[in-house]
Amino acid sequence: KAGVTQTPRYLIKTRGQQVTLSCSPISGHRSVSWYQQTPGQGLQFLFEYFSETQRNKGNFPGRFSGRQFSNSRSEMNVSTLELGDSALYLCASSLAGGRDTGELFFGEGSRLTVL
Amino acid sequence: GQSLEQPSEVTAVEGAIVQINCTYQTSGFYGLSWYQQHDGGAPTFLSYNALDGLEETGRFSSFLSRSDSYGYLLLQELQMKDSASYFCAVRGSGNTPLVFGKGTRLSVIA
Repeated sequence: KAGVTQTPRYLIKTRGQQVTLSCSPISGHRSVSWYQQTPGQGLQFLFEYFSETQRNKGNFPGRFSGRQFSNSRSEMNVSTLELGDSALYLCASSLAGGRDTGELFFGEGSRLTVL
Repeated sequence: GQSLEQPSEVTAVEGAIVQINCTYQTSGFYGLSWYQQHDGGAPTFLSYNALDGLEETGRFSSFLSRSDSYGYLLLQELQMKDSASYFCAVRGSGNTPLVFGKGTRLSVIA
């Protein structure tokens, strides 16, 4: 069974631009979470969606937004990019947020570089 | 809110045993998870503890003490391929997201 697919894998943007990242979860998974990973900071929680509803939102500015579609695919958008937004953005899927098993299935991530 | 503390780096010898500790602060507690991430790779799930005690999965074991807000990951018979970053993650309640620590970079040396 196919894993979590994230596109694009790599992208370079300049300050002020906006970017949209896409995540296709494992078939049958209805929960999608997004994390930002930077060196030394671990994985910082961005959003969690379940059945098209945002269930949780992390402590990030309003420039970061996301959504989930009826087929469980998810997108996140970052507007007015800043240099500090350079990071690996990870998407993770699970049946119900991993609440019973603690297990999330991660994609390989989208590495964003802001110049 | 939730916060987790784990050592930033650990070095151990091939064939040895290493323990990576994790202490957490949460309002409520649902469970503690451990993930492994190799350089350039995706985090992968290792283990989950919701109740006190030891969970064993092959060479890896994970322990939880809810009264001490403490857990650890134990890696036995270390191999070079175990060199990676290890993250503990906690969920405070059924309505909160999985929050990760900053990770422990394990280097296995010959």
